[in-house]
Amino acid sequence: NAGVTQTPKFQVLKTGQSMTLQCAQDMNHEYMSWYRQDPGMGLRLIHYSVGAGITDQGEVPNGYNVSRSTTEDFPLRLLSAAPSQTSVYFCASSYSGSLGTHYEQYFGPGTRLTVT
Amino acid sequence: GDSVTQMEGPVTLSEEAFLTINCTYTATGYPSLFWYVQYPGEGLQLLLKATKADDKGSNKGFEATYRKETTSFHLEKGSVQVSDSAVYFCALGPNTDKLIFGTGTRLQVFP
Repeated sequence: NAGVTQTPKFQVLKTGQSMTLQCAQDMNHEYMSWYRQDPGMGLRLIHYSVGAGITDQGEVPNGYNVSRSTTEDFPLRLLSAAPSQTSVYFCASSYSGSLGTHYEQYFGPGTRLTVT
Repeated sequence: GDSVTQMEGPVTLSEEAFLTINCTYTATGYPSLFWYVQYPGEGLQLLLKATKADDKGSNKGFEATYRKETTSFHLEKGSVQVSDSAVYFCALGPNTDKLIFGTGTRLQVFP
């Protein structure tokens, strides 16, 4: 298993440009999520999905879109990049806690994004 | 709302020293509690977890006990190694759809 993969590893954007961060997992996990990591802020949830066709907003969703057309993939789209979106982005996946059990979240290696 | 508070770092220790990283939480109901570790240049990995009061999670010599009376989940290790140098995150699972992370505590262990 490759686990959770993310591309690209690094990206530099100009203000106003758009791009998509890719995330894929091969563990047949129902639950997938996107976090951003900023110094002194920890990880903050952007969007998440409990299954194909279902997405919901997290703590900091503004400026980001997601879709979940397959179980494996959960891309994150930046519509019009702003310097405030400079961050490290992590994708994570886990089994869905449908029985009230919290399963381990598996994280990808991250994408470091700089917006100038 | 639900939140997690961790001690600020960095925590700097000599090899074989005793480690404590404090974590307290605010939550309604009966959340699950977690410690994740992030090694340089990598994503987060689950270190240990506890799902109900008085549970003790343990892994790789690290331990943490879910204390509902003090709303705490402090991470401890009796003898740290240089290879334990990393950032440690306490996290709260108020429900099965979300995790709320603390700000992270950097641990630096010197030989």
